[in-house]
Amino acid sequence: GAGVSQSPSNKVTEKGKDVELRCDPISGHTALYWYRQSLGQGLEFLIYFQGNSAPDKSGLPSDRFSAERTGGSVSTLTIQRTQQEDSAVYLCASSYPQGTTFFGQGTRLTVV
Amino acid sequence: GDSVTQMEGPVTLSEEAFLTINCTYTATGYPSLFWYVQYPGEGLQLLLKATKADDKGSNKGFEATYRKETTSFHLEKGSVQVSDSAVYFCALSGLTGTASKLTFGTGTRLQVTL
Repeated sequence: GAGVSQSPSNKVTEKGKDVELRCDPISGHTALYWYRQSLGQGLEFLIYFQGNSAPDKSGLPSDRFSAERTGGSVSTLTIQRTQQEDSAVYLCASSYPQGTTFFGQGTRLTVV
Repeated sequence: GDSVTQMEGPVTLSEEAFLTINCTYTATGYPSLFWYVQYPGEGLQLLLKATKADDKGSNKGFEATYRKETTSFHLEKGSVQVSDSAVYFCALSGLTGTASKLTFGTGTRLQVTL
């Protein structure tokens, strides 16, 4: 597609439930990133995939968070046993190895 | 580790006023520097970037110069418009010339009034 696509755009879930957020990067971009944007924390890096290399998971806040990238394209961020502090906008981004990073519109997650 | 510090907002200006949003950074090596903008209801967009010392990034009347000696990348515009109202994020990428995670400042909200 023309840009980074994320789904759903909004998600409301009950505390304790698992959620999956999807990202479809720009075709051909080998790098894919997840960030989180919340009122108290600003923009935080979560995880980064680059080609076939092992992902950089250094930003994941707890073991309830995981992500995978299948076939070098689509990525899913999974949050298990959601907590209220997980409420935020989750942003996906992609880039070529030496290129500009392009962001999706984000998924707004609300945990009630 | 890498970090970015930018001036806190909100910044409120009248149309046609001069804008400066300060940004300083801490990083090892030679990072690339960026300004991203988030307009109301929209996603993050790259505004401008600079990849080496003394480079000037520019776009839409905005400019920022990569100053290694002061570790700064201040955003400026000579005459702001109401349509410039948005949140501006300064960011750095730790590895020049290759894909790398971005480290962002906390963002500065700009409100331009008539």
